[in-house]
Amino acid sequence: EAGVAQSPRYKIIEKRQSVAFWCNPISGHATLYWYQQILGQGPKLLIQFQNNGVVDDSQLPKDRFSAERLKGVDSTLKIQPAKLEDSAVYLCASSLGDVWGETQYFGPGTRLLVL
Amino acid sequence: AQTVTQSQPEMSVQEAETVTLSCTYDTSENNYYLFWYKQPPSRQMILVIRQEAYKQQNATENRFSVNFQKAAKSFSLKISDSQLGDTAMYFCAFAPAGNNRKLIWGLGTSLAVNP
Repeated sequence: EAGVAQSPRYKIIEKRQSVAFWCNPISGHATLYWYQQILGQGPKLLIQFQNNGVVDDSQLPKDRFSAERLKGVDSTLKIQPAKLEDSAVYLCASSLGDVWGETQYFGPGTRLLVL
Repeated sequence: AQTVTQSQPEMSVQEAETVTLSCTYDTSENNYYLFWYKQPPSRQMILVIRQEAYKQQNATENRFSVNFQKAAKSFSLKISDSQLGDTAMYFCAFAPAGNNRKLIWGLGTSLAVNP
């Protein structure tokens, strides 16, 4: 079974530029999560999709971050414009359904450096 | 507020020895799930072990086991016969009922297994 795929793996941009990350979840997984992991911290949930609907985006900085999940499969997370404090690893995860307590499967992450 | 505390930012252990990572959490919920996730250097996060709060029996997974003390709100991870491949960040997380199934994460413990 193929795992969660993410691209790019690394990205360096200057502040005020825009950037987009892509995620392809495990086939058949209905729930998709985007996390931000700042160095030395645990993951912080940015947005959670159930199929192509948003379940939770309470911690997404909506003035600069946006995310979509077209057709309930792939997802894209965008930052526009980027700030220095956005430097982090962006993790995508997926789970089979929306069952409480189920395992989340993570991708390798995209490491973003904003200069 | 619901929180997870991992009081050991860094730990080290000799290969083949046993190490215990601590985790405490705070919640008023009676039902929840607890997790230990492992994040090796530059590799993706994977689930190590999962515990359901209403189950009194401690979960085990090969060399990994937990000591779940519900009254004390403690969920420690024991790694037996440590291997070099166990070197990683270990995150404790829990999913309380009624939290929109969102995981609450600790800051992690960096474990180094020395040859």
